[in-house]
Amino acid sequence: AQTVTQSQPEMSVQEAETVTLSCTYDTSESDYYLFWYKQPPSRQMILVIRQEAYKQQNATENRFSVNFQKAAKSFSLKISDSQLGDAAMYFCAYRLGSGNTPLVFGKGTRLSVIA
Amino acid sequence: DTAVSQTPKYLVTQMGNDKSIKCEQNLGHDTMYWYKQDSKKFLKIMFSYNNKELIINETVPNRFSPKSPDKAHLNLHINSLELGDSAVYFCASSLINTQYFGPGTRLTVL
Repeated sequence: AQTVTQSQPEMSVQEAETVTLSCTYDTSESDYYLFWYKQPPSRQMILVIRQEAYKQQNATENRFSVNFQKAAKSFSLKISDSQLGDAAMYFCAYRLGSGNTPLVFGKGTRLSVIA
Repeated sequence: DTAVSQTPKYLVTQMGNDKSIKCEQNLGHDTMYWYKQDSKKFLKIMFSYNNKELIINETVPNRFSPKSPDKAHLNLHINSLELGDSAVYFCASSLINTQYFGPGTRLTVL
């Protein structure tokens, strides 16, 4: 079974600084997708970034980028120029590539942004 | 223009009652899901439907029964509610690769 591990229950970052959230996963499959979702206090699940396993290039979305290390099964999220609105729970998730399979989530990392 | 909507957003009820949560998506997606987020924020899949047909049913008590009247709707009915059912329930939908979530329903069982 696939598992996703987020080893940092809580992180904090100063406003305008950079922070990296860690995620590792375990799978024997070669075709899969990885995601980071943000859950602010409003509890809405917001897609931050997506990475296809077959792509070597790391995904980026504005201030958000990932470091995808397929051999190490690592998928970390870097947030640059942190803003107060980035404060939220961040969930790393895995999905098997074939069909509309469900997401397998990590336990989340709570990010605080200090003004 | 809400893509995935759920009603109600909050539900408070007594143990033993039966309740339903409705989900609708206007994205034209084929597949819909129900996830449960427990008090420790852990999210886990409950059910998955593709074109109104059940394709995934995780180890969920049979008091939980999903119903998909059409491709755009996936409702969750819960019988004989228990204290442990208190959680946030998320509906989601996807077409190919990415899932989009509804706002969640916080269920509190007293």
